Amino acid sequence: DSGVTQTPKHLITATGQRVTLRCSPRSGDLSVYWYQQSLDQGLQFLIQYYNGEERAKGNILERFSAQQFPDLHSDLNLSSLELGDSALYFCASSVSGLGQETQYFGPGTRLLVL
Amino acid sequence: AQSVTQLGSHVSVSEGALVLLRCNYSSSVPPYLFWYVQYPNQGLQLLLKYTSAATLVKGINGFEAEFKKSETSFHLTKPSAHMSDAAEYFCAVSFYNQGGKLIFGQGTELSVKP
Repeated sequence: DSGVTQTPKHLITATGQRVTLRCSPRSGDLSVYWYQQSLDQGLQFLIQYYNGEERAKGNILERFSAQQFPDLHSDLNLSSLELGDSALYFCASSVSGLGQETQYFGPGTRLLVL
Repeated sequence: AQSVTQLGSHVSVSEGALVLLRCNYSSSVPPYLFWYVQYPNQGLQLLLKYTSAATLVKGINGFEAEFKKSETSFHLTKPSAHMSDAAEYFCAVSFYNQGGKLIFGQGTELSVKP
């Protein structure tokens, strides 16, 4: 158990819908990361937050957005969903959000868009 | 452009045989290098990392990796494979000036035959 929790574990929805994925980091970690894992693209970095502020951004679609709240949990919002958004979404956390730190990964949320 | 290449999407070894998983990176600045393992239906777990200290890095479960700057490589080895090593292995790179963003290779699925 990494100490990172993600909800829900599974999500099935329809094209055009909007969903929210939630992540709670390990106790003491200030930085949260979101990654997407799909068969086509592999593991892709989406976005990083540190103590409520955006720190780094990857190839995150404009239909996707994220935020980190004062209690340090983070939401990833996916809207106008398309079939191609079906993937495993991972959240990870680390202490200070620096490049050399170990990132601890949650179990993921599996999203299926029908 | 910064990238990570893992040679071989599938590697099969016999139990007790040497495990060698290859990783090469492309970068113009010094990297931090990581190996993560993913067991079925689970998140990623850190095996080991290189952060500019010793070039030979020892990790969990008997794995080790050597950073070779001249070859831009960070290959993962284990002297004797165990059935429980069957999983997907990801090499990843990050940099000091990019927050904690991890760039992953495509992954190598390791099978261990009895």
